[in-house]
Amino acid sequence: ETGVTQSPTHLIKTRGQQVTLRCSSQSGHNTVSWYQQALGQGPQFIFQYYREEENGRGNFPPRFSGLQFPNYSSELNVNALELDDSALYLCASSSQGLAVQETQYFGPGTRLLVL
Amino acid sequence: QKEVEQNSGPLSVPEGAIASLNCTYSDRGSQSFFWYRQYSGKSPELIMSIYSNGDKEDGRFTAQLNKASQYVSLLIRDSQPSDSATYLCAVHGSSNTGKLIFGQGTTLQVKP
Repeated sequence: ETGVTQSPTHLIKTRGQQVTLRCSSQSGHNTVSWYQQALGQGPQFIFQYYREEENGRGNFPPRFSGLQFPNYSSELNVNALELDDSALYLCASSSQGLAVQETQYFGPGTRLLVL
Repeated sequence: QKEVEQNSGPLSVPEGAIASLNCTYSDRGSQSFFWYRQYSGKSPELIMSIYSNGDKEDGRFTAQLNKASQYVSLLIRDSQPSDSATYLCAVHGSSNTGKLIFGQGTTLQVKP
């Protein structure tokens, strides 16, 4: 167990709806990264938050947004859901923010199904 | 060319054998390299990190890095059926965004 928690574990939504996924980082960690993992693929970086500021963003449209709270927990919001958004959403926490040797530890993930 | 490439497998080895998993990457400025294990339906679990050229050993696992060849590998000695999983290679690129770039993973099957 990494100490990273995510909620909910599973979610079913319909096209066009909005969803909020939540992540609590491991104690002592100040950085949260979000990834999307489609079936049979490696995780794809969505964005990272370091001390409540966005620190890099992957190739995802603006309808994917997030924030980080003062306690370093984080939310991922997805608006106008599309069928292709169906995936495992992973949150990873780390303690080294901008350090090159930052090591990321993953939570259990939220499996989102869009119908 | 993909940024991080792995053979998707499956790689099948008998119990007790050495499993060799390979990964190549395209960003020559990459500085940190990681191997994660992912069981079906679960999230990735960190196995090893490596930052310098050469070998790094941890129990039955050895990570090998060759930056000149842009190649990183993972050896699993005395493979066990419980090692059957997908192994993800991840590379921290030369930017400071915290972005990990993953390969698609190699599925390992260890047969009793």
